[in-house]
Amino acid sequence: QKEVEQNSGPLSVPEGAIASLNCTYSDRGSQSFFWYRQYSGKSPELIMSIYSNGDKEDGRFTAQLNKASQYVSLLIRDSQPSDSATYLCAVMRKTSYDKVIFGPGTSLSVIP
Amino acid sequence: DTAVSQTPKYLVTQMGNDKSIKCEQNLGHDTMYWYKQDSKKFLKIMFSYNNKELIINETVPNRFSPKSPDKAHLNLHINSLELGDSAVYFCASSQGVYGPTSGNTIYFGEGSWLTVV
Repeated sequence: QKEVEQNSGPLSVPEGAIASLNCTYSDRGSQSFFWYRQYSGKSPELIMSIYSNGDKEDGRFTAQLNKASQYVSLLIRDSQPSDSATYLCAVMRKTSYDKVIFGPGTSLSVIP
Repeated sequence: DTAVSQTPKYLVTQMGNDKSIKCEQNLGHDTMYWYKQDSKKFLKIMFSYNNKELIINETVPNRFSPKSPDKAHLNLHINSLELGDSAVYFCASSQGVYGPTSGNTIYFGEGSWLTVV
């Protein structure tokens, strides 16, 4: 089982719709969870971080964490064509040294 | 002013050659990383340094050798390049003694596209 799993996509949604991105992780000791956005040919950039169960909202983005189910998701409301990118889920394990493990990413395409 | 800068951005080289990628961060961070992203976009950590000390060394061939002359620099040297080394290599940095902690994040450089022919 891979440490962090995501649907590779591509996920296509019409402009204005809600895009839902999902991520599962295998290590129950994971403590911190991140969503990064990566445009084609660019470097990843952090858009959301979440550390406790529940929802965290930031503008059009909402991160949801359920540690019991080892599940984290990202909702993008009112999707825009500029949201078209690959979204990387990342999980930090608490080992001797903190280490961030990235999932394979989900490609999102927002259709005008 | 670029926070994490790496050079070169593009590198095309032949199998068997030795090459280096340089990285510098001006954020004052304690921890620096090298990540490799393959053609399937899978971003995988290779090394992590904290204040010039190696703290994470994943299963990476010995041909890859990181060097940190000071906490603002982390260079990656690759010996005897192979076709499978073709990828994008991202340098990154974060605050915190042992890497990213709550509230902190990893800042990535723009990436170095390595093509081995």
